[in-house]
Amino acid sequence: GAGVSQSPSNKVTEKGKDVELRCDPISGHTALYWYRQRLGQGLEFLIYFQGNSAPDKSGLPSDRFSAERTGESVSTLTIQRTQQEDSAVYLCASSLSARLAPGELFFGEGSRLTVL
Amino acid sequence: AQSVTQLGSHVSVSEGALVLLRCNYSSSVPPYLFWYVQYPNQGLQLLLKYTTGATLVKGINGFEAEFKKSETSFHLTKPSAHMSDAAEYFCAVRGDDKIIFGKGTRLHILP
Repeated sequence: GAGVSQSPSNKVTEKGKDVELRCDPISGHTALYWYRQRLGQGLEFLIYFQGNSAPDKSGLPSDRFSAERTGESVSTLTIQRTQQEDSAVYLCASSLSARLAPGELFFGEGSRLTVL
Repeated sequence: AQSVTQLGSHVSVSEGALVLLRCNYSSSVPPYLFWYVQYPNQGLQLLLKYTTGATLVKGINGFEAEFKKSETSFHLTKPSAHMSDAAEYFCAVRGDDKIIFGKGTRLHILP
């Protein structure tokens, strides 16, 4: 596609439910990031995929959070047993190359998660 | 590891005045530095970036930033603020691997 696509754009769920957020990066982009943006806060790094290398999961806040990426395409961020503090906008970004040169990050519109 | 500190979560300037948004970083390796902007109800977009070479980099909409290694800073400036510059600005650093963002500075333009 022309840009980074995220779905759903909005998700309202009940506390304790699991949610899946999807990201379709720009075709050919080898690097993919997930960030969390809470209301009035900055971008909190969650996880980073680069090609077929092992992902950097150092930003995941708890073991309720996990993410997968199929090759260099779609990524899914899963939050299990959601809590109210998980409410935020989850942003996905992709980049042409991370190791060789610091490519520009292209961001999706985000998935707004509200946990009741 | 790397980190970013943005001084001031909110900055207000008058239209036509100088804009200065401060960013300090830490990195164990030579960093790559970025400023991103998020306009109201829009996604983030790249404003400018420093990789190597010239330490003064120019970006879109008249913004520029200067990499100062001795001060570990990458402050963003614009000589004359415009109402359309009202937005949230994020400084980011890539050190050894991933890109880390600061907490952001919301820029308010006073008429």
